[in-house]
Amino acid sequence: GEDVEQSLFLSVREGDSSVINCTYTDSSSTYLYWYKQEPGAGLQLLTYIFSNMDMKQDQRLTVLLNKKDKHLSLRIADTQTGDSAIYFCAESPIGSSNTGKLIFGQGTTLQVKP
Amino acid sequence: SQTIHQWPATLVQPVGSPLSLECTVEGTSNPNLYWYRQAAGRGLQLLFYSVGIGQISSEVPQNLSASRPQDRQFILSSKKLLLSDSGFYLCAWTYGTRGNEQFFGPGTRLTVL
Repeated sequence: GEDVEQSLFLSVREGDSSVINCTYTDSSSTYLYWYKQEPGAGLQLLTYIFSNMDMKQDQRLTVLLNKKDKHLSLRIADTQTGDSAIYFCAESPIGSSNTGKLIFGQGTTLQVKP
Repeated sequence: SQTIHQWPATLVQPVGSPLSLECTVEGTSNPNLYWYRQAAGRGLQLLFYSVGIGQISSEVPQNLSASRPQDRQFILSSKKLLLSDSGFYLCAWTYGTRGNEQFFGPGTRLTVL
């Protein structure tokens, strides 16, 4: 079935790199997404990667995709206290182009210590 | 540009009372619309989605219902709230004919006492 798995918690020191990992099940997913949720707020799209790409870089964010292992990661360079939030991985499974449904992981809470 | 609104922002309701949460989208037409619930410390659970006016698909059985009376309006309702209905309710939209990126509203915090 469709499932997206993430570790629940990550703690890093300010200035270090953070790596948040995600595994997904649908190898036919066309897009994979990373969303950020700050406390008490909705989700904001951080970045996404198309399934025919291995890597995408956007300023401090690097997304790596390993299709063989169905593994997605988000690396945040020079992590700042403002990066503290919950990060959600999401996939768009096959057959979702009409419904737009996404399958979300349970979210990884990133704690950045000063 | 497109914006999505949810109200109220917070709500405290007694068990057994009715519920109505509203979500509206501006700046686009014929969006797909979604209701999610996020329980404390948990991930997102998709409750309902709609691909058009009057078209509602339910993802999980529960005492909630959804309606889409207008193209850009999505309403989440209950006749009698349960304690387990407490949570953070998020509305989202996406373009119906391209991509799957979803845009989220600010959410409604519901506490059932």
